[in-house]
Amino acid sequence: QKEVEQDPGPLSVPEGAIVSLNCTYSNSAFQYFMWYRQYSRKGPELLMYTYSSGNKEDGRFTAQVDKSSKYISLFIRDSQPSDSATYLCAMRMYSGGGADGLTFGKGTHLIIQP
Amino acid sequence: EAGVAQSPRYKIIEKRQSVAFWCNPISGHATLYWYQQILGQGPKLLIQFQNNGVVDDSQLPKDRFSAERLKGVDSTLKIQPAKLEDSAVYLCASSGRTAANYGYTFGSGTRLTVV
Repeated sequence: QKEVEQDPGPLSVPEGAIVSLNCTYSNSAFQYFMWYRQYSRKGPELLMYTYSSGNKEDGRFTAQVDKSSKYISLFIRDSQPSDSATYLCAMRMYSGGGADGLTFGKGTHLIIQP
Repeated sequence: EAGVAQSPRYKIIEKRQSVAFWCNPISGHATLYWYQQILGQGPKLLIQFQNNGVVDDSQLPKDRFSAERLKGVDSTLKIQPAKLEDSAVYLCASSGRTAANYGYTFGSGTRLTVV
């Protein structure tokens, strides 16, 4: 079993729809959770960063973490064609200032149809 | 603020040849990472530097991969000899470790094809 599971898609939705992206993980030591967006032939770009369980909102994006279920989600409201990209969940353990490499999911390829 | 610079953008080599990638992080960022992203997969950490010291290289295939960060700024990643399974995008990232943005800034990567 991989440490982080993410459905690769593709996920195709019409413009304006609410998008839900999810990851599950197995390592209970993960404490920091991130969502990255990656356009074709570009590096990942940080969208959301959360530490604790609960919700965090930033504009059209909401990140949700449920540590008891080892489940994280990203919601995109009012989706736009420009949101079409691959979305990667990532997470890491507490590092105490040392090694803090991220463990990524495979990424979900999202397509927003105009 | 200039981003993370990587070169070359693309490289095609034959198996058993050697190749090197270069990364220039964001100015002032002490922490630098190299990730390998195989097609259809998420990035996988290869090595993490703090200034010019190695913090984590547990997933670096040390029989063929090497990396250095002289003077705590630029970094190079080398593969020698390359195998077909090394075909991937090699991403460099840097972190300033600010509380407001505890994520990395990635470069656009070097796409390596081994034939």
